[in-house]
Amino acid sequence: NAGVTQTPKFRILKIGQSMTLQCTQDMNHNYMYWYRQDPGMGLKLIYYSVGAGITDKGEVPNGYNVSRSTTEDFPLRLELAAPSQTSVYFCASRYRDRGSPREKLFFGSGTQLSVL
Amino acid sequence: KQEVTQIPAALSVPEGENLVLNCSFTDSAIYNLQWFRQDPGKGLTSLLLIQSSQREQTSGRLNASLDKSSGRSTLYIAASQPGDSATYLCAALPMTTDSWGKFQFGAGTQVVVTP
Repeated sequence: NAGVTQTPKFRILKIGQSMTLQCTQDMNHNYMYWYRQDPGMGLKLIYYSVGAGITDKGEVPNGYNVSRSTTEDFPLRLELAAPSQTSVYFCASRYRDRGSPREKLFFGSGTQLSVL
Repeated sequence: KQEVTQIPAALSVPEGENLVLNCSFTDSAIYNLQWFRQDPGKGLTSLLLIQSSQREQTSGRLNASLDKSSGRSTLYIAASQPGDSATYLCAALPMTTDSWGKFQFGAGTQVVVTP
């Protein structure tokens, strides 16, 4: 059981570069999320998706883009990286089944990104 | 907008003592509330999920209660061990349409259990 897999684990970018953070899950979850976590802060939602082909913005979407072409994959694209995007990024997924224990949120192990 | 607060931000207890972790939320209209554990440099692991219709949920030494009327959830860890040292986060899933599917996280309580 792989769960939620994120790659890469670490990355250093120069200002203005672009990159894609990969996220894949093998649990047939319909909901997927991208969060960023800054030191001492809670998780902030960047984008989320309720199913293939459907995405929506979270609290802090500026500077990021997403796509969801399959149930399994939910990549996060950073365009024109800025120092403010230095953070730890987490992908998460869950199954929407209201009132069910299956609604637990599962997280990947994270990507530590530094923009210098 | 739902706000989730966890106080204190950090806590240190001797081994064997019971841990009590607090989570407060401003809007009682929630589908569920989850408690997570995060080890340094790692992702979050779900510990317990409490549905809005439930008052508590238990797993081994862990017990989580939910009181929607007062906007509070408490995570109890019995007979703490050094291996319980981690950051514990709570997250509420709001019912409001404009927050559909969007969990609101607290900043977490960092716990150190000393031998």
